[in-house]
Amino acid sequence: KAGVTQTPRYLIKTRGQQVTLSCSPISGHRSVSWYQQTPGQGLQFLFEYFSETQRNKGNFPGRFSGRQFSNSRSEMNVSTLELGDSALYLCASSLNAALETQYFGPGTRLLVL
Amino acid sequence: SQQGEEDPQALSIQEGENATMNCSYKTSINNLQWYRQNSGRGLVHLILIRSNEREKHSGRLRVTLDTSKKSSSLLITASRAADTASYFCATDPGSARQLTFGSGTQLTVLP
Repeated sequence: KAGVTQTPRYLIKTRGQQVTLSCSPISGHRSVSWYQQTPGQGLQFLFEYFSETQRNKGNFPGRFSGRQFSNSRSEMNVSTLELGDSALYLCASSLNAALETQYFGPGTRLLVL
Repeated sequence: SQQGEEDPQALSIQEGENATMNCSYKTSINNLQWYRQNSGRGLVHLILIRSNEREKHSGRLRVTLDTSKKSSSLLITASRAADTASYFCATDPGSARQLTFGSGTQLTVLP
């Protein structure tokens, strides 16, 4: 099976802009989770989607949002970008739950200038 | 604060030596997982150990879990340069429905 794919791999934006990141999970996986990784805060959980519904959400402001489509593909959106949003954004999929073994994509590295 | 904390933060060893890293957590868990991350890439799942298990092996990896001490250790035997990476433990604490990752141990294996 193909692994988790994320696009784009690299992105440069300026403060105030918005960005949309995409994630395609492993075929048959219904749970998609998003994480933000920074040197200072480490790996932090953003949210999880299952069957097109947000099932769980981390402690992030409302500028961070996401959605999941009927084919399990997921997107996350960050509006009004801030310098502190510069990070590696990782998507992970699992069969049914975010507590199961997570299969990670390569990540999208976002730089906000 | 993070549920899992790895120790040490950084570890440097020679090829062929064993590497041990530890993870401590705060609340009861159902299982604990270990992941590896090569520089700036996605994480790769290594092993999952359930709360009713004490030890688990996978190739050169050995994981132990002590629920009374709320700690786990990951042993990599006969390390190779390709093992150079960051290693994270992940737990499912309490009623949380997502994994919480520790801060990681940066392992460097020198050839």
